[in-house]
Amino acid sequence: KQEVTQIPAALSVPEGENLVLNCSFTDSAIYNLQWFRQDPGKGLTSLLLIQSSQREQTSGRLNASLDKSSGRSTLYIAASQPGDSATYLCAPSSGYSTLTFGKGTMLLVSP
Amino acid sequence: SQTIHQWPATLVQPVGSPLSLECTVEGTSNPNLYWYRQAAGRGLQLLFYSVGIGQISSEVPQNLSASRPQDWQFILSSKKLLLSDSGFYLCASSEGDVRYEQYFGPGTRLTVT
Repeated sequence: KQEVTQIPAALSVPEGENLVLNCSFTDSAIYNLQWFRQDPGKGLTSLLLIQSSQREQTSGRLNASLDKSSGRSTLYIAASQPGDSATYLCAPSSGYSTLTFGKGTMLLVSP
Repeated sequence: SQTIHQWPATLVQPVGSPLSLECTVEGTSNPNLYWYRQAAGRGLQLLFYSVGIGQISSEVPQNLSASRPQDWQFILSSKKLLLSDSGFYLCASSEGDVRYEQYFGPGTRLTVT
């Protein structure tokens, strides 16, 4: 059974800082891994999708890496802004694209 | 791109009452559909997924059931709600290929009293 751990559970930074969110998973037999953000009381917004054959994926100020063999992924956020405040979730994908989620990292970026 | 609709947005129901949550998807054909639940203080948990009309797989045994009467429609039901059914229910959709990402709907907040 896949288990996903996200560290840290919460993070508070001043605006402008670069930051790294960590995700580890126990079963390396994944098809891909997605990073999402969730604003309070809202659904999930997909940020990045990394295929199992890829090492990195970039979108704007976001960069996600994947080391499938060691069961790790990181999300790098450059030049953080208050609008980045949200909970960030990683989810590796197994058969039929079923996702297993970590509990997330709650990010607060202060002006 | 896909758009996922869920209703109702919020729901307050007494213990023992029935439940029906609906999810519809537009902008894609023959998607895989998923129901997840997010309980307070816990991560998102996959409840059901469907790869086609009438095809439902359950991940967690419980008093909930799911049905897919149309290619674009996914319904979550219960005959008798429990307090532990309270949570945030999210419907998701993906193309029928593991290479594609999942998209999520806005969710339904269910409170069982």
